[in-house]
Amino acid sequence: ETGVTQTPRHLVMGMTNKKSLKCEQHLGHNAMYWYKQSAKKPLELMFVYSLEERVENNSVPSRFSPECPNSSHLFLHLHTLQPEDSALYLCASSQAFGETQYFGPGTRLLVL
Amino acid sequence: QKEVEQNSGPLSVPEGAIASLNCTYSDRGSQSFFWYRQYSGKSPELIMSIYSNGDKEDGRFTAQLNKASQYVSLLIRDSQPSDSATYLCAVNGGSNYKLTFGKGTLLTVNP
Repeated sequence: ETGVTQTPRHLVMGMTNKKSLKCEQHLGHNAMYWYKQSAKKPLELMFVYSLEERVENNSVPSRFSPECPNSSHLFLHLHTLQPEDSALYLCASSQAFGETQYFGPGTRLLVL
Repeated sequence: QKEVEQNSGPLSVPEGAIASLNCTYSDRGSQSFFWYRQYSGKSPELIMSIYSNGDKEDGRFTAQLNKASQYVSLLIRDSQPSDSATYLCAVNGGSNYKLTFGKGTLLTVNP
């Protein structure tokens, strides 16, 4: 499935670094999502965008900053992360709210 | 707090058997229900969606929904070793955009 792409696929960063995760969807969808998946925990919804407007900020620390410049692209800017932020970060998109979400391959993040 | 509960497993079945995966949810207003499969190190991929009570079949997969009991299940017939993965149940909690995921059930199909 290449409908949703994410880069980079793997990222190692120190706690003082700044990095960005990128997501692009080629499905013509109107909604995009960021999820965090940690070991032994359910997928956690972080942010939701609909038509480039943020509609959900699920109590995420400010060291994570999303950006949605258009309906096809979604970024997650990272700064001064903590080791507990190490996880798989997944981007997803759907045609509309409540409809099937399609996931990208994810970015495996390790914070040292 | 809207919750989705799944047995974490592992659920182990022999090749060719029927694997039965179960999920319960707490929000009675839920409208949409999804089963995703996630291989180790990969992202979730959609297997089935179901919106109304009853059974929905797609190949070897059957999803069953019982809204009165707040229960959704996935049956995999003629299980294959390639079906070995974690199966995630996801429920749209009535707020239209938020999917709540269970922790997933690890299924192992033994040759």
